[in-house]
Amino acid sequence: DIQMTQSPSSLSASVGDRVTITCQASQDILNFLNWYQQKPGKAPKLLIYDASNLEPGVPSRFSGSGSGTDFTFTISSLQPEDVATYYCQQYDHLPPYSFGQGTRLEI
Amino acid sequence: EVQLVESGGGLVQPGGSLRLSCAASGFTFSSHAFHWVRQAPGKGLEYVSAIDSTGGSTYYANSVKGRFTISRDNSKNTLYLQMGSLRVEDMAVYYCARVGGGGYEYWGQGTLVTVSS
Repeated sequence: DIQMTQSPSSLSASVGDRVTITCQASQDILNFLNWYQQKPGKAPKLLIYDASNLEPGVPSRFSGSGSGTDFTFTISSLQPEDVATYYCQQYDHLPPYSFGQGTRLEI
Repeated sequence: EVQLVESGGGLVQPGGSLRLSCAASGFTFSSHAFHWVRQAPGKGLEYVSAIDSTGGSTYYANSVKGRFTISRDNSKNTLYLQMGSLRVEDMAVYYCARVGGGGYEYWGQGTLVTVSS
């Protein structure tokens, strides 16, 4: 199974800051990488698919990049409503579609 | 409007069984694959099981293989997860999620499974 290593596990930043989260796959997954946002008590929400494509309706301050084994998720200017836990997920070939451990983002 | 509504969670003793359901509406259910994803209290997301659009192919995490069975009834627009030989470590909120492209486009609100004596 493919393992996903996400870092950092937690992060504190200020409003307006640029925030970056990284995710590394244990093997080449091309661009089969998604990013989710989960707020407390809520189901996760898909933000970015195929490593760099923004899901419709998601603010443009969110972006993703990378391919192969190394991926990056960026919030260009942190807003108060971005407080959440963020997860990467790979979906190479067949299930399991494993998740990273998550990054708790605080302001 | 796409809706996924899970039900069937509750309190069960270790070794017991439970069947979760996920009722879908607002789209053509039979055209989509679905997954179950769980989240233990205070923990991250964990893939549990997957089923293709016809029900002909199913997949399981190693942690539940042989104990859980995923199925679907396309005539009832409903996804199921039959859980057996439950363990304390199976305690979690269980989400059903619709697969679109490679990502989970839509999620249910989750149903809590508590395993305790």
